[in-house]
Amino acid sequence: AQKVTQAQTEISVVEKEDVTLDCVYETRDTTYYLFWYKQPPSGELVFLIRRNSFDEQNEISGRYSWNFQKSTSSFNFTITASQVVDSAVYFCALSEASGNQFYFGTGTSLTVIP
Amino acid sequence: DGGITQSPKYLFRKEGQNVTLSCEQNLNHDAMYWYRQDPGQGLRLIYYSQIVNDFQKGDIAEGYSVSREKKESFPLTVTSAQKNPTAFYLCASSAATGTYQETQYFGPGTRLLVL
Repeated sequence: AQKVTQAQTEISVVEKEDVTLDCVYETRDTTYYLFWYKQPPSGELVFLIRRNSFDEQNEISGRYSWNFQKSTSSFNFTITASQVVDSAVYFCALSEASGNQFYFGTGTSLTVIP
Repeated sequence: DGGITQSPKYLFRKEGQNVTLSCEQNLNHDAMYWYRQDPGQGLRLIYYSQIVNDFQKGDIAEGYSVSREKKESFPLTVTSAQKNPTAFYLCASSAATGTYQETQYFGPGTRLLVL
């Protein structure tokens, strides 16, 4: 079974629109960590955020915000007022305290149209 | 500047040839990882190393080999036994030993193509 599901394969939005990228995870651990990475066309994965399972506070960083809801096992990522530079593939990942690896979703390809 | 470097950026392999991808980090991280990414796919773990002179197989280790003789270096060899090596290879490192919950930081990647 997929540990991390990113159901949205591709999303296109017009510049300045808001967009939410969904991430649903599955784990039996009570202690776990969730991550979002951005992969621009150059290929390098850029770390965006890390949250632990005990901290459900939403986080905002500029135009980026993250909504962590344990009740629905979701860790969604919203970009407000999207820009062309936001065009990239975004990956959600899970790490369990009891395990020894990261589980990556299959990624969501975001295209922001000028 | 601290970071992870991978070389070469592009690599071409002939049939039956072994090739080695370089990964170097100056972040003083204990753990290092190799992932493979196929087009439109997520990342799959090939090998990881939590400490010098020790490494473990990931989900898709067959046809690959690694070494970890120095803390800052974790080269990956794609052997002739790997029948479908064309992919994008990403190296990563993280701070703590033996804990995957530490954030992994990635290098720029190497694209391997078969001639």
